[in-house]
Amino acid sequence: AQKVTQAQTEISVVEKEDVTLDCVYETRDTTYYLFWYKQPPSGELVFLIRRNSFDEQNEISGRYSWNFQKSTSSFNFTITASQVVDSAVYFCALSDVRGDTGRRALTFGSGTRLQVQP
Amino acid sequence: DTGVSQNPRHKITKRGQNVTFRCDPISEHNRLYWYRQTLGQGPEFLTYFQNEAQLEKSRLLSDRFSAERPKGSFSTLEIQRTEQGDSAMYLCASSPSRSVNYGYTFGSGTRLTVV
Repeated sequence: AQKVTQAQTEISVVEKEDVTLDCVYETRDTTYYLFWYKQPPSGELVFLIRRNSFDEQNEISGRYSWNFQKSTSSFNFTITASQVVDSAVYFCALSDVRGDTGRRALTFGSGTRLQVQP
Repeated sequence: DTGVSQNPRHKITKRGQNVTFRCDPISEHNRLYWYRQTLGQGPEFLTYFQNEAQLEKSRLLSDRFSAERPKGSFSTLEIQRTEQGDSAMYLCASSPSRSVNYGYTFGSGTRLTVV
């Protein structure tokens, strides 16, 4: 069964600090995708990154970076020089594919609430 | 077309009443999903449509829940005889048919409160 664990329920940092959000996943699929979404107080899920299981290169996008390690089934997310606008709930998610129906659902972790204090 | 639209944004209802939510996906997306998100949790998959066909329902979807997607365009999610445990955010997402890399787009959700 698919499972995504985000052990950090809430993290509070002061602006300009770096912060890392942890994500550990379980899957029996050999090919899968991992995602990070941001959910601000307004409620919509904002897509941040998608990474497939064959690509273990780390990725950097501005202040955001992601560290994918297949050996430890982890896909961690780091925000460098955090800002107040980064305050939100962040979700890690794993692809959940069913071949006979074509369904491509997502299995989400329980989220990490990030509070960035000014 | 600016994205996935959900209406209403908020709904407060008394226990036992029926409610219906609407989702308008991105027009060229033929796959549509409903998710439910309770407080402090991540979204959980409820059901999936490919065009007008409902191809899968999660065990989370009890008999009081019904979803439709007439003509493969907008979708509705109805909850009959609402219970307090139905209070949650209901999210809709759509993706194109050849979305091998999960080209998902989520709506802003409908927040249901059952009192």
